[in-house]
Amino acid sequence: AQSVTQPDIHITVSEGASLELRCNYSYGATPYLFWYVQSPGQGLQLLLKYFSGDTLVQGIKGFEAEFKRSQSSFNLRKPSVHWSDAAEYFCAVGNSQGGSEKLVFGKGTKLTVNP
Amino acid sequence: ETGVTQSPTHLIKTRGQQVTLRCSSQSGHNTVSWYQQALGQGPQFIFQYYREEENGRGNFPPRFSGLQFPNYSSELNVNALELDDSALYLCASSLVRTSGSHEQFFGPGTRLTVL
Repeated sequence: AQSVTQPDIHITVSEGASLELRCNYSYGATPYLFWYVQSPGQGLQLLLKYFSGDTLVQGIKGFEAEFKRSQSSFNLRKPSVHWSDAAEYFCAVGNSQGGSEKLVFGKGTKLTVNP
Repeated sequence: ETGVTQSPTHLIKTRGQQVTLRCSSQSGHNTVSWYQQALGQGPQFIFQYYREEENGRGNFPPRFSGLQFPNYSSELNVNALELDDSALYLCASSLVRTSGSHEQFFGPGTRLTVL
C-alpha cells in the first residue's frame, strides 16, 4: 500500500534561515509527488509537483523539491524563510490505481517562523 | 476563472443526524474528489466522481455517499453521524484527460462538528 512519511511533526526556524522539510514515500511504481501548504482554517494550496523528468522541481513562493528515487524521498527546501511561510506542509503521492486518482498524504509538518 | 468553492463553511450536527456538503468544481474541470481531514492529520481520500459516477473509494463505510451533477458540482452525504466524523471535509477538482496523475485543486473546506 502507498504511504507517505513526514518524520518531523513540528519545525521551528528563524526568519531568513534555510528550511528543509523531509518526505519519504512508499509506492511500487513511478510516483507522482506533490507538496501542499495549508494555512490555519484554509484548504490546500499546491506548492509544486513532480511527474517525471528533472528531479529538481521549482515551485511557487521560492520553494523547490528534489526527487531521489534511491532514497524514496521528496524533500522540500527554501533558502530563506519568510514569516508568512508559517503554515502546515503536506507531502502527497498520487495513486492512479484502479482508474481513479487519489492522493495519499503524510501527516504534515507544522512550520513555525521566529522573528 | 472561479476556483473550487464549498458550502457551508461550518456545520454543527448531533450524533445520528445526516449531513450534506456541497462543492462547486473549478471551471472546466470534470472530476471531483472528497477528502476527510481529522484534527492534526493529513487528508484521507473518501471517494472520487468522474462523469457522474463513483470512480474509486477509500476506506470509508457506505454511510458516506456522494453525487456528481452534470455541471460537475458535487455533494457529499454522511448518514448516521458519529463523533469521529468531526473533521474538515475538503473537495478537490481536476481535469482528467489522459492516464496518469493530474493536479487537484482544493476548496477551502467545510468544518463539520458532531456533538
